[in-house]
Amino acid sequence: NAGVTQTPKFRVLKTGQSMTLLCAQDMNHEYMYWYRQDPGMGLRLIHYSVGEGTTAKGEVPDGYNVSRLKKQNFLLGLESAAPSQTSVYFCASSYSTVGYNEQFFGPGTRLTVL
Amino acid sequence: RKEVEQDPGPFNVPEGATVAFNCTYSNSASQSFFWYRQDCRKEPKLLMSVYSSGNEDGRFTAQLNRASQYISLLIRDSKLSDSATYLCVVTYTGRRALTFGSGTRLQVQP
Repeated sequence: NAGVTQTPKFRVLKTGQSMTLLCAQDMNHEYMYWYRQDPGMGLRLIHYSVGEGTTAKGEVPDGYNVSRLKKQNFLLGLESAAPSQTSVYFCASSYSTVGYNEQFFGPGTRLTVL
Repeated sequence: RKEVEQDPGPFNVPEGATVAFNCTYSNSASQSFFWYRQDCRKEPKLLMSVYSSGNEDGRFTAQLNRASQYISLLIRDSKLSDSATYLCVVTYTGRRALTFGSGTRLQVQP
């Protein structure tokens, strides 16, 4: 089992460009999440999904969109990248949140916006 | 004020030392508590849950003090491989995802 994988691992964008980050999990998890991690800020939740076809906003959703067309995939889109979106992006998944279930993280995508 | 606060460190300790980290949380609607570990340039991974009565996993002991709203992690007999950032994590009633502290960095030196 690969667990949670993310594509790409690194990316450099110019301001105003768009891109999509792909997250895939092979654990049949219902819940998937996108976080960003910035120095001194900890991980902050961007968007999450509680199942195929559903998405919801997290703590810092502005400038991002997401889609969950298939249970195993969760896509994060940046329509018009800004330097403030330079960060490390982590995808995570869990079986559920009832009674808490461990979140499993992907290896991260390092994004730089110039 | 952040909901989950940690001393960023770094804590520099020699091998074999005992080291303790604290984490404070500000929202009384907290539900569950955890410590995650994050190695340099890697993803976070669950280290251990924190139970009300306190719990131990080998060299690691976690404690919760709901009255004072803090949790702690104690590492005994530190190993070089314990060098990492330790993230305090809280779940809150009504929220789906985890709330992370910004982490405490530990460097164990030979």
